[in-house]
Amino acid sequence: AQRVTQPEKLLSVFKGAPVELKCNYSYSGSPELFWYVQYSRQRLQLLLRHISRESIKGFTADLNKGETSFHLKKPFAQEEDSAMYYCALSGSRDDKIIFGKGTRLHILP
Amino acid sequence: GAVVSQHPSRVICKSGTSVKIECRSLDFQATTMFWYRQFPKQSLMLMATSNEGSKATYEQGVEKDKFLINHASLTLSTLTVTSAHPEDSSFYICSAHRDGSTGELFFGEGSRLTVL
Repeated sequence: AQRVTQPEKLLSVFKGAPVELKCNYSYSGSPELFWYVQYSRQRLQLLLRHISRESIKGFTADLNKGETSFHLKKPFAQEEDSAMYYCALSGSRDDKIIFGKGTRLHILP
Repeated sequence: GAVVSQHPSRVICKSGTSVKIECRSLDFQATTMFWYRQFPKQSLMLMATSNEGSKATYEQGVEKDKFLINHASLTLSTLTVTSAHPEDSSFYICSAHRDGSTGELFFGEGSRLTVL
């Protein structure tokens, strides 16, 4: 069954410290993995996806098929990174996207 | 960039009435749209997949007669909450696949429904 697990509901990190938001998935095939972010009072938006292998706002995420993980990382947290982060999985272009429960990232001053 | 617009952003209605929420892709065509529900402090829950020109596909546990979905054109999907009750109060979010894209979803701003 398709499943996305984000084990942390809340993650508090001091400004300047490294950030890692965990995401593990379950899928019998080759999924596409995404990270979405929702800043306060704004719409949900795509942060990055594994196929593009790019860094957005300093965040990176590497797909580890052996560990079935897609953890989101940033070396130095900034206050504006405080938001709700959702890891998501899609099996194909037109397939539904399954979201994890989300992790609220709180950057402490 | 691609924009998805939801309307209304907030709606308050009396118990027993029906409420329609619109989801429009403003500058792209979307054969497939999705409707989600977000409970307070919980994750997005996929309710149904809306397909232009055909019946919506509902997730397990979602009442299709309660949540009517119509995808009449390539840029518009509507969600109608019929005979709304207080337990239907929630934040409803739509998203759309841009036709020809490779998986990225574009989200509306969401609609907060409050049933009195």
